Amino acid sequence: GENVEQHPSTLSVQEGDSAVIKCTYSDSASNYFPWYKQELGKGPQLIIDIRSNVGEKKDQRIAVTLNKTAKHFSLHITETQPEDSAVYFCAASGGNTPLVFGKGTRLSVIA
Amino acid sequence: KAGVTQTPRYLIKTRGQQVTLSCSPISGHRSVSWYQQTPGQGLQFLFEYFSETQRNKGNFPGRFSGRQFSNSRSEMNVSTLELGDSALYLCASSFPRTDSPLHFGNGTRLTVT
Repeated sequence: GENVEQHPSTLSVQEGDSAVIKCTYSDSASNYFPWYKQELGKGPQLIIDIRSNVGEKKDQRIAVTLNKTAKHFSLHITETQPEDSAVYFCAASGGNTPLVFGKGTRLSVIA
Repeated sequence: KAGVTQTPRYLIKTRGQQVTLSCSPISGHRSVSWYQQTPGQGLQFLFEYFSETQRNKGNFPGRFSGRQFSNSRSEMNVSTLELGDSALYLCASSFPRTDSPLHFGNGTRLTVT
């Protein structure tokens, strides 16, 4: 089955700097790659997703890139703000299989 | 549009007991998935229901079961609770396509003592 590895597990950045989180997946049939943000006491919230027919997608300060050949995808957050502090999860799915999540990255933005 | 609603938010049970958790999906969403979240294992898939039928099942023992009703609401049940079942149980709803985004509720925090 699918296996998703996520790095780093923790990340601290200064406010205004960029943050990058990387994930790799194992199943070449996977074609959907969402990213979720989870704040304390809440469930994960979708922040951006990308499908395998697209190499990059951007939404304001957030962007995701996908390299299907290398089976990795990344989340980029620019101009980080304290409210970006949370746990971020990548995930992958394909065909009729459920979403498989990475173990998460705890991002701390230091003011 | 109301989000995914999970009840109760918190539960404390004793080993050996059973528990039932409830999930009301977003209106129009007919697929409901359940995940277990623990600090060590992250988010692990339990099962998915669509049109009252289990469509996918994760690698959990038979003590974990679920069902879906005709109005798409779902319940999951854990019997003979073990200490290791302590976790945040998350329900997510979506349209029934694998590339359809999952929308999560805020979960039920289960503590087994």
